Amino acid sequence: EIVLTQSPGALSLSPGERATLSCRASQFVPSAYVAWYQQKPGQAPRVLIYGASSRATGITDRFSGSVSGRDFTLTINRLEPEDIAIYYCQQYGDSPITFGQGTRLEIK
Amino acid sequence: QVQLVESGGGLVKPGGSLKLSCAASGFTFSDYFMSWFRQAPGKGLEWVSYIGGGGATINYADSVKGRFTISRDNAKNSLFLQMNSLRAEDTAVYYCARDDSTGYSPHWGQGTLVSVSS
Repeated sequence: EIVLTQSPGALSLSPGERATLSCRASQFVPSAYVAWYQQKPGQAPRVLIYGASSRATGITDRFSGSVSGRDFTLTINRLEPEDIAIYYCQQYGDSPITFGQGTRLEIK
Repeated sequence: QVQLVESGGGLVKPGGSLKLSCAASGFTFSDYFMSWFRQAPGKGLEWVSYIGGGGATINYADSVKGRFTISRDNAKNSLFLQMNSLRAEDTAVYYCARDDSTGYSPHWGQGTLVSVSS
């Protein structure tokens, strides 16, 4: 099973700043099949990024994803109050599908 | 637009059974893999199971294998999750999701809460 470790566990930034969220895989993820989801309180998750770096339909270009080896990164530029959420990475390149434990983003 | 509506959640005693349903609309249901995910209260996301468009391809998380059964009725655009031998640790919001061809899940329902408690 591929274990995904997200860091930091929580992040507190001001509006307009840039957030950098990390997700490290315990082993190679085939085809870089990693997605990033945003989950706001009381809501279902929403996909932001798939295939490590492709933005999902309707997602603002303030969100971007990148990969270097086993390290995956979600970058959120020009933070807005609406970005308050928990962000999860997911790998779907190998069975079982697994998620990271999440990064909680707070806006000061 | 894609709509997924789960139902069937509720309170059940340990060892009991429950069957969740997911009504799908806005797309050709039989063309897509479908998945179930869950989220325990205050915890992260966990994949539970997926099923191929024709129903022949099925996979389960180890935590539910042998206890849960995923199925679908393409004529009724519906996805199901039969849950048997329920345990306290199965308490969670259960989400159904439509999968992309590569395996991630761009469309999710709003979830249904399953509580297992005596």
